[in-house]
Amino acid sequence: DTEVTQTPKHLVMGMTNKKSLKCEQHMGHRAMYWYKQKAKKPPELMFVYSYEKLSINESVPSRFSPECPNSSLLNLHLHALQPEDSALYLCASSGLAGGPRTGELFFGEGSRLTVL
Amino acid sequence: AQSVSQHNHHVILSEAASLELGCNYSYGGTVNLFWYVQYPGQHLQLLLKYFSGDPLVKGIKGFEAEFIKSKFSFNLRKPSVQWSDTAEYFCAVNTGRRALTFGSGTRLQVQP
Repeated sequence: DTEVTQTPKHLVMGMTNKKSLKCEQHMGHRAMYWYKQKAKKPPELMFVYSYEKLSINESVPSRFSPECPNSSLLNLHLHALQPEDSALYLCASSGLAGGPRTGELFFGEGSRLTVL
Repeated sequence: AQSVSQHNHHVILSEAASLELGCNYSYGGTVNLFWYVQYPGQHLQLLLKYFSGDPLVKGIKGFEAEFIKSKFSFNLRKPSVQWSDTAEYFCAVNTGRRALTFGSGTRLQVQP
């Protein structure tokens, strides 16, 4: 079992819908991440939050809007998505972004998104 | 910029065969190196990691990897694979300058 919890596990939405993906961790980690993974492809970084501040945005379209309300929670707000945005969205956390043990990420099980 | 290459895209082995998956990275400075595994329908799990010290690192489920700095490599090995090792394996690197970067992955299929 993973200590990073993502909800919902599955989401189907139309191109005009507004929905949100949620992620929660209680490991005291101060860095949280959103990755996107298409089938048979590696995870691709979308956003990084460090100490609740957005530190990396990998040129992600504005129809994806991240939010980090506190150190334990990370949201990804979705609006006006396209069918090609269908993918597995992975949340991860780590102890200290940019620190000596950087990269030891703990992943959630992901939210599988289908855009119709 | 940091990047990771995995040259074996799909590997098929019989049970008890030995495994070696290649991973090369490009970055001239200090790197942290990882192997993650994703079993069918499951989340990414850390197999092993290298930060510093002994270049031969041992992970879970009998896996090990060797960091060879001169070759910019971090190959994953297992002496005898099992059917349950069937999964996607990702090498990943982090230089501390940005977040974790994954290789393209290697799909391992172990036949009973």
